[in-house]
Parts: sequence; structure tokens; C-alpha cells
Amino acid sequence: DQQVKQNSPSLSVQEGRISILNCDYTNSMFDYFLWYKKYPAEGPTFLISISSIKDKNEDGRFTVFLNKSAKHLSLHIVPSQPGDSAVYFCAASAVDNQGGKLIFGQGTELSVKP
Amino acid sequence: EAQVTQNPRYLITVTGKKLTVTCSQNMNHEYMSWYRQDPGLGLRQIYYSMNVEVTDKGDVPEGYKVSRKEKRNFPLILESPSPNQTSLYFCASSTTNTGELFFGEGSRLTVL
Repeated sequence: DQQVKQNSPSLSVQEGRISILNCDYTNSMFDYFLWYKKYPAEGPTFLISISSIKDKNEDGRFTVFLNKSAKHLSLHIVPSQPGDSAVYFCAASAVDNQGGKLIFGQGTELSVKP
Repeated sequence: EAQVTQNPRYLITVTGKKLTVTCSQNMNHEYMSWYRQDPGLGLRQIYYSMNVEVTDKGDVPEGYKVSRKEKRNFPLILESPSPNQTSLYFCASSTTNTGELFFGEGSRLTVL
């Protein structure tokens, strides 16, 4: 049972345009959400997070939106740059889980073309 | 430099030959975890540890063992590897309850 789903395996975007990566979850107990970025031959690195008490969090070119009623979150990258080409994983956790136990989605491979 | 170090980075082995993937972190994190990454399945948790001598199963623990004798080390043991354990493995650590994991660079394991 996939509790966190990224239904788009890949996304291709032109440099300078907006990239929107989507993530859906099923467990209503999730209250903290994160996005990780992964380059080939490297481990995932933390990108941005959002608590369930917020509906938006912004960090430079990256913004995460959370729609709790729809159990949906999205990552917006504006403007997209070729260096943003990577696999992006969304992840979720619940306060009553053991600390740091994250459930990951399948990942979306973003390709930003010059 | 704060980091999580895994060894080996690449390994080809044969069915049934015991192997250990080591993991060490220098950030004094209490929480450590192992994940495997497989195409179409994302990152799935194998085992985690909240602190020294405290370990628990994740979502896919079958065929794996772990130990946490020291805070900095969290080795992953495959007692009798099988081909379905061919995967990319990541060790991660964090301060408890932050949810922000720091990952190692990964260990690509092939079991023939």
C-alpha cells in the first residue's frame, strides 16, 4: 500500500519556465512533508519542508504548497534551471511515528532543457 | 565536514555469501536508518534505530539485520544475500523528530 504517491515518473521543462512536481498521500495522520533532490551517484539531499499547520513554504526559487483536504502537495520551481535536473522525492511523516521515520514517494525525474 | 559515510560504494557478490555494508555518521545524530531504492518503488525503509542498542524494523526488513552498538555506526548485514536484494542502499541519520534526514552517497549492491 503506497501511502505517498508521485504519479509522474518524469517531467520535462524548458529552462526559465515553471516546474511543478506533484505528490499525493493517503494517511491523514501525516503532518510533516519534505522534498528531497537526488543527483545520479549521490544520496538524496533535503530541499524544503512544510508542516501541516501551513499551506505554503517558500525558499528562494522553491515553493511547496500543501492542500490538506485533498491530501496533495506540490513543489514549484521558478524559474527552472538546467542544474535542477534531478530526481525529486516527496516524503511524509506523522508526529506519532518514531522520530524521523519518513515514507517516500516513488520519485519524479525532472529534466530542464536549455 | 558533516557527513554520512557508507562502504562499500559498489559491490558484486554471489548468492549466500554474507556481507556487511557499513555506515558511519559524524553529526552525533541519535536516529539512523537504512533505505533501499528500486525503480518505480522509491525509497523504502529497511531498519531504523532511535538510539544505541535500539533498533526496529522498517517496511522491508526481510533478509536484513542491523546493529547499533555505537551511536555513530549502523551496519547493514545481509546474512545470505539473494538476487532480489540487488538494489541501491542508502544509510541516513537525523536528530530525533526533525524528519530531515542526511543521506550517505549510496551503496550499489548486485547479487548474482
